[in-house]
Amino acid sequence: KQEVTQIPAALSVPEGENLVLNCSFTDSAIYNLQWFRQDPGKGLTSLLLIQSSQREQTSGRLNASLDKSSGRSTLYIAASQPGDSATYLCAVDDTGNQFYFGTGTSLTVIP
Amino acid sequence: DTEVTQTPKHLVMGMTNKKSLKCEQHMGHRAMYWYKQKAKKPPELMFVYSYEKLSINESVPSRFSPECPNSSLLNLHLHALQPEDSALYLCASSPPGTGLEAFFGQGTRLTVV
Repeated sequence: KQEVTQIPAALSVPEGENLVLNCSFTDSAIYNLQWFRQDPGKGLTSLLLIQSSQREQTSGRLNASLDKSSGRSTLYIAASQPGDSATYLCAVDDTGNQFYFGTGTSLTVIP
Repeated sequence: DTEVTQTPKHLVMGMTNKKSLKCEQHMGHRAMYWYKQKAKKPPELMFVYSYEKLSINESVPSRFSPECPNSSLLNLHLHALQPEDSALYLCASSPPGTGLEAFFGQGTRLTVV
């Protein structure tokens, strides 16, 4: 069973900074890795999906990379804004229909 | 339409009550999921339905009973719950076995009193 870990657990940065969130997983045989955002008490919003054959994906100020061999993914957020404050979760799918979530990173962007 | 709709948004129930959570999607996804999320913890997988058949049950107590009546609907029937079952219950859907994107609903906040 996949073990998915995210570092750091919490991060506080001033507005405008670029930042990197990390996700590591134990089994490299995956279908995909997906990054989500969760606001307090709300559901999950999909940010980026990287399929196993891909190395990175970009959407606006977000860039996610995947290195299956080392069991790592990073989410890069450029020019952070207070509206980016949320919990960021990575999820690994290793069977095609079973997602394992990381422990999450709680991000606070200070105006 | 990339929406997964969950009802109700909030539910308070007593330990002797019977209630149901509902989830609906119209994206043609044939895999649907229930997750449980406690405060400040990641979502934990409960059940997976693939092509309307239960494919994964993560050792969930029998007081939780899932049902997938058709390819668009997923229910979670609740009976004789305990206060520790209070949590955010999330539904998700995806095309099974493809590695394509999963979509989540906004969740049902359940409180057991």
